[in-house]
Amino acid sequence: GDSVTQMEGPVTLSEEAFLTINCTYTATGYPSLFWYVQYPGEGLQLLLKATKADDKGSNKGFEATYRKETTSFHLEKGSVQVSDSAVYFCALSAGSSNTGKLIFGQGTTLQVKP
Amino acid sequence: NAGVMQNPRHLVRRRGQEARLRCSPMKGHSHVYWYRQLPEEGLKFMVYLQKENIIDESGMPKERFSAEFPKEGPSILRIQQVVRGDSAAYFCASFAWSGTGELFFGEGSRLTVL
Repeated sequence: GDSVTQMEGPVTLSEEAFLTINCTYTATGYPSLFWYVQYPGEGLQLLLKATKADDKGSNKGFEATYRKETTSFHLEKGSVQVSDSAVYFCALSAGSSNTGKLIFGQGTTLQVKP
Repeated sequence: NAGVMQNPRHLVRRRGQEARLRCSPMKGHSHVYWYRQLPEEGLKFMVYLQKENIIDESGMPKERFSAEFPKEGPSILRIQQVVRGDSAAYFCASFAWSGTGELFFGEGSRLTVL
């Protein structure tokens, strides 16, 4: 079945460092891909998404490109801030008729130190 | 402009008791999803409901778990005769077909079974 695999955390970086969180997926068909972020004590928020191959999603300095040839959707940010500390989830939606049914990776905790 | 509201935020039950988790979707949203997050794992889809209808319950355990979304009032996820393995965070998300297609998550209800 469909699945999402993320790099294990925690990822610890200093402020202004470059961030990459790897995400790969397996799916039949052409899924939409998402990154969600969960700040401490809060619910998940959509960070960015891409709905077809070669699309780039971007938001708040974060970017991810839908790579069909490598089945990947890696999250990147050029310069992280302490306020980016959170858990990041990669997810896919395989069904056009049930787009809220997402398959999530296990989450990657990011800790940014001043 | 309230978001998705879940209560209780924390619930402690002893084995064999019942747990009821409530979710009020965002205003104007008539579709609700429930997800479960076991410790150290990603979120797993449980059930998708419209008002007065269960659309997809393929992720619900076959026994002890039920969900409803009545015409009036919140959606309720009910777990009967809880066991320690039910300890998890339960997230609700709401969705509007006429909107952006984005899922909006609540802050979650954390169930602990003693």
